[in-house]
Parts: sequence; C-alpha cells; structure tokens
Amino acid sequence: AQKVTQAQTEISVVEKEDVTLDCVYETRDTTYYLFWYKQPPSGELVFLIRRNSFDEQNEISGRYSWNFQKSTSSFNFTITASQVVDSAVYFCALSGEDSNYQLIWGAGTKLIIKP
Amino acid sequence: NAGVTQTPKFQVLKTGQSMTLQCAQDMNHEYMSWYRQDPGMGLRLIHYSVGAGITDQGEVPNGYNVSRSTTEDFPLRLLSAAPSQTSVYFCASSSLGGTEAFFGQGTRLTVV
Repeated sequence: AQKVTQAQTEISVVEKEDVTLDCVYETRDTTYYLFWYKQPPSGELVFLIRRNSFDEQNEISGRYSWNFQKSTSSFNFTITASQVVDSAVYFCALSGEDSNYQLIWGAGTKLIIKP
Repeated sequence: NAGVTQTPKFQVLKTGQSMTLQCAQDMNHEYMSWYRQDPGMGLRLIHYSVGAGITDQGEVPNGYNVSRSTTEDFPLRLLSAAPSQTSVYFCASSSLGGTEAFFGQGTRLTVV
C-alpha cells in the first residue's frame, strides 16, 4: 500500500531563515508521481510541483527547491530566505497505479514564519 | 477560467438530513475526486471517477454516494448526515492519472 509521512507537524522560524519540510513515502509502484501543495490560511489548495519517479533531478523555482532521493524514498522541500507569506500548511502527496492514480496525502506540515 | 467550482461554500445540517455537494469542472478532465479534510490530517479520498459513468470508492466512502453522468459534474450526496461528517470537503479534477489535480475552493460542512 502507498503511504506518505510528514513527520514535522509544525515548524516555526523567523523570517529570512531557510527551512526544509520533510516528506517520506512508501510505494510498490515503479512508476509514481510526487506532489507538493500549499494551503494558505484562506484554505485553498495551491499546486507547487509534480515529480515523476524517473526524474531525480533537483528542482529550483525562485526561493523554493525540491530534493528527490529514491534511495531514501524522500521528496523534501526547502524554502530559502523565508517570508511571512510562506506561512501555510504544506502537503506532500503521492499517486501511482497502486492507488489508481488517486492522491495519497501526508498529514501536512504547518509552517509559521514569524516577522 | 472557472476551473473547478464547488457549491455551497458553507453548510450547516441537522443530524439525519441529506444534501448534495455540487462540483463542476470546465477543463474536460476525465478524473474527478472528492476528499475530506479533518484537523491534523491530510486529505482523505471519499470517492473518485475516471470518466463519465465510472465511479469507485476511496478510503472513507461510508455515508456518501456519487454519480458521474457527465464529464463536467461530479456531485457528492450525503445520505443521512452525522456529526462525524463535519469536515471540509474538496472536489478535484485532473486530466490523467498522475497529473496535477485542480481543486475547488472547498465546502465547510457542519453537522449538528
């Protein structure tokens, strides 16, 4: 069965600090997809990134970067020079044939950026 | 650009009442899903559909029904509301399995 674990329930940092959100997954699929979504206090779900299991290149988008390591089944998310607007709940999710390509979600990490 | 539209945004029901949460998408997506989000938990899949006329159960289907008569619409029916169904409900759609899912704004449901 597929599973996503986000062990960090809540992280609090001061603005401009770097912060890494951890995501560990389990799957029997050889082809699968990993996602990060952001849920700001307003409640909507905002797509951040999708990565397929054959692409282990790290991704950088502005202050955001993602580190995918199949060897450790991890897909970690780093925010560099955090800002108050980054405060949100961040979800990691997994989909693959084992779940009929439906999203399996981690419990989320609540990120608090203090000014 | 409507994307995924969910109605209503807020609803209060009494125990035992029934209601339908509406979800419509205008992106011609084959995949549609319903999730519920409870405090401290990730989203949990209720029901999903991979195309018109095809539905299947997710992780927490009990107490809910769905149908998919058109590509655009995927309503979620609560048959007899219970306090345990108090939650935030999200509808999502995607073009194919494994692609980005687009979400509605959510429905905050309270059952008293």
